[in-house]
Amino acid sequence: QKEVEQDPGPLSVPEGAIVSLNCTYSNSAFQYFMWYRQYSRKGPELLMYTYSSGNKEDGRFTAQVDKSSKYISLFIRDSQPSDSATYLCAMTPPSGAGSYQLTFGKGTKLSVIP
Amino acid sequence: NAGVTQTPKFQVLKTGQSMTLQCAQDMNHNSMYWYRQDPGMGLRLIYYSASEGTTDKGEVPNGYNVSRLNKREFSLRLESAAPSQTSVYFCASSGDRGPNQPQHFGDGTRLSIL
Repeated sequence: QKEVEQDPGPLSVPEGAIVSLNCTYSNSAFQYFMWYRQYSRKGPELLMYTYSSGNKEDGRFTAQVDKSSKYISLFIRDSQPSDSATYLCAMTPPSGAGSYQLTFGKGTKLSVIP
Repeated sequence: NAGVTQTPKFQVLKTGQSMTLQCAQDMNHNSMYWYRQDPGMGLRLIYYSASEGTTDKGEVPNGYNVSRLNKREFSLRLESAAPSQTSVYFCASSGDRGPNQPQHFGDGTRLSIL
């Protein structure tokens, strides 16, 4: 079993839809969780950064962490064509061995259709 | 505000040739990283440097060497390129408050080895 599982998609939605992107993980030591957005032929760009369980909102984006289920989500409200990209989840344990190493999901490719 | 700059953006090599990928960041970050991204494999860490003067192996270090030239620059060298090293290479850096900080990526070097 991979440490981080993410459905690669592709996921296609109409403009204005609510999008839900998800990752599951197996390592209970993970404490820091991130979502990156990657446009075609560009580097990953940090979108959201959360610590431990709970919700964090930033504009149209909400990141949710459920450590008891080892499950994280990214919700995009009122999706726009400019949201079309690949979304990668990433996570890392607390300070100590391995804490410099992000473990990434393989990414979900999202297309928002006008 | 350049962030993380990688050179070159594209390169084609023949098997057995050597080359160095360059990376520089202007965010005064302590930590720097080299990843490769392959279809179906996601982002995998090759080497990282937690601070100037230190380097450590990541998940896939074989066939690569790195040099942390100074706080700004971190280079990746392929001594004898192989077709299996055809990939997109990303450099990243993270803040100086210790581990677990979000990583900021460059736009990648697309490397083909024939």
